[in-house]
Amino acid sequence: ETGVTQSPTHLIKTRGQQVTLRCSSQSGHNTVSWYQQALGQGPQFIFQYYREEENGRGNFPPRFSGLQFPNYSSELNVNALELDDSALYLCASSLSGDSNQPQHFGDGTRLSIL
Amino acid sequence: AQSVTQLGSHVSVSEGALVLLRCNYSSSVPPYLFWYVQYPNQGLQLLLKYTSAATLVKGINGFEAEFKKSETSFHLTKPSAHMSDAAEYFCAVRRGGNKLTFGTGTQLKVEL
Repeated sequence: ETGVTQSPTHLIKTRGQQVTLRCSSQSGHNTVSWYQQALGQGPQFIFQYYREEENGRGNFPPRFSGLQFPNYSSELNVNALELDDSALYLCASSLSGDSNQPQHFGDGTRLSIL
Repeated sequence: AQSVTQLGSHVSVSEGALVLLRCNYSSSVPPYLFWYVQYPNQGLQLLLKYTSAATLVKGINGFEAEFKKSETSFHLTKPSAHMSDAAEYFCAVRRGGNKLTFGTGTQLKVEL
């Protein structure tokens, strides 16, 4: 069973640029959630995708957007990068978008904004 | 809104001593609660979950947690700490649609 994989592992960008982060969900999982974890903080929910549709969004501006593909992999796009966007971005997959099934996390993408 | 509060951002114990990491929840309905562990430069690994089936929940690596409604608590314990337990621990509550709200985390240090 393949777990959740994220790419790239590390990324350095400058203010104003755009970035795309990728996530492959665990085999059989149809729901992907994205979280932002700033240094020394707990993860903050960005949004969730269930069967290619957005299924809830946290308190993040519209420049954070996402996609889910038919194979349930997902992308997180961030436009007009700001210094505060520096964080670990975590992807988590689960079996369903509305159940108590646990979320399985990838190792994250470390994004640094200069 | 459902939320969790973790008391103590840093906890230090001796190897072999009891581990107690505190989590209190705020929820208007019976919550689903989780404990995750995060090792350096890694994602989060599920330790255990409470889904109202039993108040004492056993997880991996010898950890367990007890749901106490009267105290709105879900503290994580382990009878005997091991050096490999040094990590950051997060308590989380499930919001609607299987979305998680995390606490701010507790860094556990295990000393010889």
